[in-house]
Amino acid sequence: GAGVSQSPSNKVTEKGKDVELRCDPISGHTALYWYRQSLGQGLEFLIYFQGNSAPDKSGLPSDRFSAERTGGSVSTLTIQRTQQEDSAVYLCASSYSGTGAGEQYFGPGTRLTVT
Amino acid sequence: QQQVKQSPQSLIVQKGGISIINCAYENTAFDYFPWYQQFPGKGPALLIAIRPDVSEKKEGRFTISFNKSAKQFSLHIMDSQPGDSATYFCADISNFGNEKLTFGTGTRLTIIP
Repeated sequence: GAGVSQSPSNKVTEKGKDVELRCDPISGHTALYWYRQSLGQGLEFLIYFQGNSAPDKSGLPSDRFSAERTGGSVSTLTIQRTQQEDSAVYLCASSYSGTGAGEQYFGPGTRLTVT
Repeated sequence: QQQVKQSPQSLIVQKGGISIINCAYENTAFDYFPWYQQFPGKGPALLIAIRPDVSEKKEGRFTISFNKSAKQFSLHIMDSQPGDSATYFCADISNFGNEKLTFGTGTRLTIIP
């Protein structure tokens, strides 16, 4: 079956511009996560959606970052007024889970470069 | 800030040898410790995971060993092959209420012929 898909695969943007990154989770997965992978910081959690519950935004690094999940499926991560330090690979993962550590399936990521 | 300490940062092993990667955690919420494997340009993929009602779990050439008292767990790759060359991440689920993964810093494994 189809895995987690993300688009675009690469995005180059100028400093100060806004960007939107999209994630299509595996059908039926209730949990969706965004992570960021950068050379200096490894893999870090950004935000978590579970069903219709309020998202856990505790990992968002600043108020320039926001995310939404429409209809319990597709999610969009938005970065406003991008900065060079935002350059990283943004990974989305989904799992069929409530609690109990369900396996998280990752997409291929979006490589964001801010020039 | 919850941490998972992973070592070594990079590892070179000869084909057929044993690759060993170690992780140490501070606290855990779910007693679930997965290892992820990541190839260049791809997202991480779950390789093997352990729930420490056992001290060891083996799947093919991959084994997780877990030491609860020391708060450590390790990945052993037996008969390492060039196709195992990848970056490996251990992880911990440290918070109740969600299942966010706290990752180790990663180990870049290279298997040489």
